Amino acid sequence: QSALTQPRSVSGSPGQSVTISCTGTSSDVGGYNSVSWYQQHPGKAPKLMVYDVTARPSGVPDRFSGSKSGNTASLTISGLQPEDEAEYYCCSYAGGYSFVFGSGTKVTVL
Amino acid sequence: QVQLQQWGAGLLKPSDTLSLTCAVYGGSFSGYYWSWIRQPPGKGLEWIGEVNHSGSTNYNPSLKSRVTISVDTSQRQFFLRMSSLAAADTAVYYCARWGITTVRGFDLWGRGTLVTVSS
Repeated sequence: QSALTQPRSVSGSPGQSVTISCTGTSSDVGGYNSVSWYQQHPGKAPKLMVYDVTARPSGVPDRFSGSKSGNTASLTISGLQPEDEAEYYCCSYAGGYSFVFGSGTKVTVL
Repeated sequence: QVQLQQWGAGLLKPSDTLSLTCAVYGGSFSGYYWSWIRQPPGKGLEWIGEVNHSGSTNYNPSLKSRVTISVDTSQRQFFLRMSSLAAADTAVYYCARWGITTVRGFDLWGRGTLVTVSS
């Protein structure tokens, strides 16, 4: 059960859009519509931003959107805000009643 | 307001057993799976395992031999025990909630407990 692959970092200016990829295999990302995304600020617990690939929990801005194609899921942040600067992790159901997280992506707002 | 409060020993020696408790305040205890997730310093998240209100468990295959997760529904608490600790087990350990039928994600987290394994 290897960690899902995410880019180490992405960056954008305020107001721009950034997209974070999360690549797995047909045994996890590609096999199930159970991908979630988490935002983590330094020293804080992660916060759920997207679940079931595209759904947003109550209170999460609609600037955050998720998608999936094949074995790769993506999180897009539109209209980047300074407070969006954080680490982001994807997570997928991996079969056998287990979960696997991504390696994490640092989003920098320039 | 639903909260998870967690506690346990923070400094352990190699070969010790880690014991953590997570208490659920407010909301429903059934209808969810309750997970433990850890994060080594400066590194990513790793799912350890989960338990539901009836005691049904699932574990990360890579940790299964050393981990036991249990539940006390009457106290609304769940527990993590991890044996044969090594330095590589040094991490912040989080408890978290996974919604089975509603929000299928880890939507509620404890504040984390730093566990350091050192001789």
